[in-house]
Amino acid sequence: GAVVSQHPSRVICKSGTSVKIECRSLDFQATTMFWYRQFPKQSLMLMATSNEGSKATYEQGVEKDKFLINHASLTLSTLTVTSAHPEDSSFYICSANLAGVFEQYFGPGTRLTVT
Amino acid sequence: AQSVTQLGSHVSVSEGALVLLRCNYSSSVPPYLFWYVQYPNQGLQLLLKYTSAATLVKGINGFEAEFKKSETSFHLTKPSAHMSDAAEYFCAVSQMNFGNEKLTFGTGTRLTIIP
Repeated sequence: GAVVSQHPSRVICKSGTSVKIECRSLDFQATTMFWYRQFPKQSLMLMATSNEGSKATYEQGVEKDKFLINHASLTLSTLTVTSAHPEDSSFYICSANLAGVFEQYFGPGTRLTVT
Repeated sequence: AQSVTQLGSHVSVSEGALVLLRCNYSSSVPPYLFWYVQYPNQGLQLLLKYTSAATLVKGINGFEAEFKKSETSFHLTKPSAHMSDAAEYFCAVSQMNFGNEKLTFGTGTRLTIIP
């Protein structure tokens, strides 16, 4: 149980275009979802915390107009990278909380390459 | 406030030898602590977690960790390394028990197993 999926697993886009990444909790309802960014050989950096039906809370230094997060249901959160640039190329990972379990379940990640 | 320090960005051990990955934490309240493993181009898999119950925590794949409050440590060990243990390991801290669900990660330790 407690499986989180991400789609797509890999995406290549041209500079200036927008890309949407989906994060789904497959077998549970997630009260909170989190979006992380990971550069090569580095740790995970929290970008934002997303609660269903409310605005996401962004970490300091993360541009909310560039990284749009929508949490439309208890099983789906989306991250849209708008007007992508090569420096946005990274590994994006989402996670989801199961209420009362005190644990985050991680998706497999999405590799974004902006050319 | 919370933070995690992982000593040693790279650790190499021989197959069959003891694995010891170090993690020290800082937290303004009693923490929850986690160890995750990440294989290349994949998400994070939970190895084990400490949630204020037993201080010696046993996880998957033969790993265990001991919470030592006096040393603010949560080191990860495995008695006998296997080739399949080669991966990146992340220690993380949260204050989920106090309503703060954010995970703060260490910088990671890359474990190499020498045949």
